[in-house]
Amino acid sequence: DAGVTQSPTHLIKTRGQQVTLRCSPKSGHDTVSWYQQALGQGPQFIFQYYEEEERQRGNFPDRFSGHQFPNYSSELNVNALLLGDSALYLCASSLGTGGYEKLFFGSGTQLSVL
Amino acid sequence: GQNIDQPTEMTATEGAIVQINCTYQTSGFNGLFWYQQHAGEAPTFLSYNVLDGLEEKGRFSSFLSRSKGYSYLLLKELQMKDSASYLCAVKDFNKFYFGSGTKLNVKP
Repeated sequence: DAGVTQSPTHLIKTRGQQVTLRCSPKSGHDTVSWYQQALGQGPQFIFQYYEEEERQRGNFPDRFSGHQFPNYSSELNVNALLLGDSALYLCASSLGTGGYEKLFFGSGTQLSVL
Repeated sequence: GQNIDQPTEMTATEGAIVQINCTYQTSGFNGLFWYQQHAGEAPTFLSYNVLDGLEEKGRFSSFLSRSKGYSYLLLKELQMKDSASYLCAVKDFNKFYFGSGTKLNVKP
């Protein structure tokens, strides 16, 4: 049973560039959430996708956008990169919305903006 | 706003017991979760509480008091591999709010 997979593992970009991160959820999961984790901090909620729609969004600017495909995989896009966007980006999958289901995390994409 | 507090760092000895506290103030509550995160790795689920009281899973136990906005994670018979960050998270409908994590150092 494949867990949550993310690609790429590491990425180096320069300020102003755009980046796309990818995530495949755990088998059987239909909900994908994205989190940003700065060094020494806990994960911060970016947004959640369910049924190919953005269901909820955290306090992140519109430069952060996403997409969910019919097979439940998801992409996170960040435009006009800033130095402060350097962080570990975590994808987490779960089943359904609400309730008490737990998150399963991928290993993350380490983004460095120079 | 959402506020989740936990100690930044703790040190304990192999074989001992350690308690990591978490206090929270959130607008909604659908459960309190604990995750373990080793350096450079993804968080992995440890336990969760939705009702007041103690939940035990092997060497790990978690306690919740909703009226006090308080939880703790208890780790018994500490092992060197338990050296990691421990994240407290509150679920509010579809969102998880995480604390900054408690870095636990286990020494021989």
